[in-house]
Amino acid sequence: DIQMTQSPSSLSASVGDRITIACRASQSVYSYLNWYQHKPGKAPKLLIYTTSTLQSGVPSRFSGSGSGTDFTLTISSLQPEDFATYYCQQSYSDHYSFGQGTKLEIK
Amino acid sequence: ELQLVQSGAEAKKPGESLTISCKASGYTFSDYWITWVRQKPGKGLEWMGKIDPSDSYTKYGPSFQGHVTISTDTSISTAFLQWSSLKASDTAIYYCARQFCSAPGCFRGDWFDPWGQGTLVTVSS
Repeated sequence: DIQMTQSPSSLSASVGDRITIACRASQSVYSYLNWYQHKPGKAPKLLIYTTSTLQSGVPSRFSGSGSGTDFTLTISSLQPEDFATYYCQQSYSDHYSFGQGTKLEIK
Repeated sequence: ELQLVQSGAEAKKPGESLTISCKASGYTFSDYWITWVRQKPGKGLEWMGKIDPSDSYTKYGPSFQGHVTISTDTSISTAFLQWSSLKASDTAIYYCARQFCSAPGCFRGDWFDPWGQGTLVTVSS
């Protein structure tokens, strides 16, 4: 199965900062990479699918890039509501797999 | 409104059986696969398996094959996740999600949206 590794595992940042979260696959997943935001006690939320397509309603400060094995999620200017845990997920194989998560905390 | 509403929290003993549910509304239930995801306490998300409500075809992740059963009842637009004999290690939050498929057969390029609110299952003696 395809292993997904995110870095960092946790990140402390301030409102207004630009941050990047990395996601690496153990083999090429081409462009089949999605990102989710998860807040405690809430349903996970789809942010970006197929590497860089923003889900409807997601603010444009979120963006995704990459291909093959290396991908990034960027938030251009952090807002208070962005502090959450972020997961990447590959869908190249339909034994879908998630990264371990990146917890974004307020500095 | 497009949404998935899951059944409430459960507290069970090891060896007991359990079925939790995920009721869909706001779309044609049989047009989209449903996927189930586990989150153990303090851990990340693990994909468990998926089902095509139109024909009940299921596929399970290797860690879950033989341990859970996924099913649907299209007459009530509801998906189910079932255990015949719970273990303490099944303690987790379980999420259902609608699976958007890029291609027929739902085997590549898919994503999960929206998700249910989660069902907490606690297994303890």
